[in-house]
Amino acid sequence: ETGVTQTPRHLVMGMTNKKSLKCEQHLGHNAMYWYKQSAKKPLELMFVYNFKEQTENNSVPSRFSPECPNSSHLFLHLHTLQPEDSALYLCASSQDLFSGGPQDTQYFGPGTRLTVL
Amino acid sequence: GNSVTQMEGPVTLSEEAFLTINCTYTATGYPSLFWYVQYPGEGLQLLLKATKADDKGSNKGFEATYRKETTSFHLEKGSVQVSDSAVYFCALSDHSQGAQKLVFGQGTRLTINP
Repeated sequence: ETGVTQTPRHLVMGMTNKKSLKCEQHLGHNAMYWYKQSAKKPLELMFVYNFKEQTENNSVPSRFSPECPNSSHLFLHLHTLQPEDSALYLCASSQDLFSGGPQDTQYFGPGTRLTVL
Repeated sequence: GNSVTQMEGPVTLSEEAFLTINCTYTATGYPSLFWYVQYPGEGLQLLLKATKADDKGSNKGFEATYRKETTSFHLEKGSVQVSDSAVYFCALSDHSQGAQKLVFGQGTRLTINP
């Protein structure tokens, strides 16, 4: 138990569906991240939020839309996805983007396994 | 740019064997170094970390020493168990550009046979 929860754990959706992934952290952190983990690629950073403000969009297609209503919650809204978007989506949090030393550790949730048909 | 290179996998060992997974890095500034582990069907868990040169991180029998002179952070364990079967990721966190970002290696899949 890392203090970061993700729901749902598994999701199957069609290419025309709209769904959302949810991440919640109970660690009092202020930075949150979305990563994509595909079978044959390294871990890819998608989005970064610091104190609810988006600080990084790593050239992610617009069919992925993040939302961070507060420092504890992060959403990833999905619409008109492609089969190649099937992957494990991981959420992480850390103290904030500018803490160094012992506070720069990122804590990961268990991930949502997404399958796009 | 910053990068992390891990030894190619997969790695298969027998129980009680000695484990080394090599990790080298390229970075500007003075990064923190991490090993994360991912068990089947789960997310990444922090295994150990080191924040400065010559620091040794250790956890669950695993160790890694931050070697600035060789830019390395190799993961070792003296006697592996079947339950250590997982994917291991080396990563660095560099603050030289201001905001910290984790840079991951490609991961090394480890299988331990009884």
